[in-house]
Amino acid sequence: GAVVSQHPSWVICKSGTSVKIECRSLDFQATTMFWYRQFPKQSLMLMATSNEGSKATYEQGVEKDKFLINHASLTLSTLTVTSAHPEDSSFYICSARDRQGGEKLFFGSGTQLSVL
Amino acid sequence: QQQVKQSPQSLIVQKGGISIINCAYENTAFDYFPWYQQFPGKGPALLIAIRPDVSEKKEGRFTISFNKSAKQFSLHIMDSQPGDSATYFCAASRGTYKYIFGTGTRLKVLA
Repeated sequence: GAVVSQHPSWVICKSGTSVKIECRSLDFQATTMFWYRQFPKQSLMLMATSNEGSKATYEQGVEKDKFLINHASLTLSTLTVTSAHPEDSSFYICSARDRQGGEKLFFGSGTQLSVL
Repeated sequence: QQQVKQSPQSLIVQKGGISIINCAYENTAFDYFPWYQQFPGKGPALLIAIRPDVSEKKEGRFTISFNKSAKQFSLHIMDSQPGDSATYFCAASRGTYKYIFGTGTRLKVLA
């Protein structure tokens, strides 16, 4: 099946630093990738939709200058949390849609971010 | 109209029993309804999905029942096992647009 690799799986950083999370589709080309944030025992909250070669579309209330998304190729999207603060601590998950797979979404394994 | 309501929030089932999770939607334009399973610290994994032209779909111990007129769909896990203990999310989408997720159901299967 389709595999989405997300890296790192966990990261601890100091307040004020930036953190980059990578999301790769390993065996398919993903024209669209999605980034989610998930708080403990809660559902997935869509942050932004990333299309290859174009600017990401952010959901209402998500700061685009804080959460920088780059989708430079058909297999890689990155989320950079800039000037991270403790309130940015969360579980971040990416998902990718196979350009030939219709509606199916395949998820990465998530990144637990802890900002001290 | 974009919401997907999921119930129950949590569920405890004895080993070998049937786990049933329900979802309801309002937007009749939705045409794809997947279920995802998520273990702690991991991303969601696709379990099974259905389209509105089918009333039921079965894959192994997992069955989706779909009621188009009631705008409801449910996941049935037959012969539930402790290894099924996880959080389950339903979702709905229209075409290749973004998914709308339910709030999740934490299932615990007792040994």
